[in-house]
Amino acid sequence: NAGVTQTPKFQVLKTGQSMTLQCAQDMNHEYMSWYRQDPGMGLRLIHYSVGAGITDQGEVPNGYNVSRSTTEDFPLRLLSAAPSQTSVYFCASRNGQTLNDYGYTFGSGTRLTVV
Amino acid sequence: RKEVEQDPGPFNVPEGATVAFNCTYSNSASQSFFWYRQDCRKEPKLLMSVYSSGNEDGRFTAQLNRASQYISLLIRDSKLSDSATYLCVVTGQRGYSSASKIIFGSGTRLSIRP
Repeated sequence: NAGVTQTPKFQVLKTGQSMTLQCAQDMNHEYMSWYRQDPGMGLRLIHYSVGAGITDQGEVPNGYNVSRSTTEDFPLRLLSAAPSQTSVYFCASRNGQTLNDYGYTFGSGTRLTVV
Repeated sequence: RKEVEQDPGPFNVPEGATVAFNCTYSNSASQSFFWYRQDCRKEPKLLMSVYSSGNEDGRFTAQLNRASQYISLLIRDSKLSDSATYLCVVTGQRGYSSASKIIFGSGTRLSIRP
């Protein structure tokens, strides 16, 4: 049982390049989310999904796209990388059926630098 | 005003001390509350949920004060291994889609010295 797997762990991009951060979970969780973490800002929600085929924007969605074609995978695409997107990105999933069931499982993170 | 606010610290306390942090939230309709622990350069991990009646897990005690809109975490007999950043987490209002929006505080750094 691998939990939540994120790849790559590290990435350096040039401004304007595009790339996809991968996230996969093997726990059959319905809910998946992408966060970015910056110093002093905490974790900020980028996009989330409540199930296959359903996605929605979070707090800071601009510059990112997501899709959820399967329950297991929730990739995050950077359309045209900018230095402001330098951050640590975390994918998280949970199987919460009620408002009190929020045991989030996080991936180990992707450290992205845009130069 | 941020939806969830924490004192960033760092709190630097000696081993064996008792330390407490608070976390305030702005939305009175918030439903659920949690404390997460994050070690340096690692992912956050659930430490404990926070219940209205307060709850304890070993050396850790969590409290919720809805009237004043804050949650607290008390660590007794602190250990070197407690050094980490502690994130408070507040969930959204009722509703299917908004229930998925979970707000993290920016964290309080705790450093335990020998």
